Amino acid sequence: GAVVSQHPSRVICKSGTSVKIECRSLDFQATTMFWYRQFPKQSLMLMATSNEGSKATYEQGVEKDKFLINHASLTLSTLTVTSAHPEDSSFYICSARDFTLKNIQYFGAGTRLSVL
Amino acid sequence: GESVGLHLPTLSVQEGDNSIINCAYSNSASDYFIWYKQESGKGPQFIIDIRSNMDKRQGQRVTVLLNKTVKHLSLQIAATQPGDSAVYFCAETDYGGSQGNLIFGKGTKLSVKP
Repeated sequence: GAVVSQHPSRVICKSGTSVKIECRSLDFQATTMFWYRQFPKQSLMLMATSNEGSKATYEQGVEKDKFLINHASLTLSTLTVTSAHPEDSSFYICSARDFTLKNIQYFGAGTRLSVL
Repeated sequence: GESVGLHLPTLSVQEGDNSIINCAYSNSASDYFIWYKQESGKGPQFIIDIRSNMDKRQGQRVTVLLNKTVKHLSLQIAATQPGDSAVYFCAETDYGGSQGNLIFGKGTKLSVKP
């Protein structure tokens, strides 16, 4: 299956700092990438959808200035959590989709963000 | 923040038994469905998919059944193994839609007793 690489897997930062998470599709071109947030024992919550070269589409309630998404190439999308606070602590997961691979989304391994 | 008091449905089975995980989906227009497996601390992993023009699809040790009349999806795992222990999510989408974003179910935690 298609491989999506996400880094870092875990990050601990101080309140007020910004954190960047990378998501790469390794063996396919990701026309669309997705960013999810997941709280313990809960399902995945879609934060935003990004298409290569376009601005991301954010879900209702997600602050676009807080969660900056860049999808500059067909294999790389980044999520930057700006001025992180403890309530931003969560598990962030990216996924990538290529329409030539049907509509299957392939997921990265996730990033555990802990804001102190 | 985290929702207080929210618990995943849990299915506990004996190793070697068959497991059936159920999912009710919400959108009558959904025509493509996927089952994902998520192990602790990892991202979801694709298991099997099915389109709405099918009622059943089989993979290796897994079978997905789709009942469009009652909007119900199930995942059957044959001869369940300890490595099958994980949270299983169903996801639905309007494959032909302009966005085709996945909508995830709440998940079911499968625990396999050796």
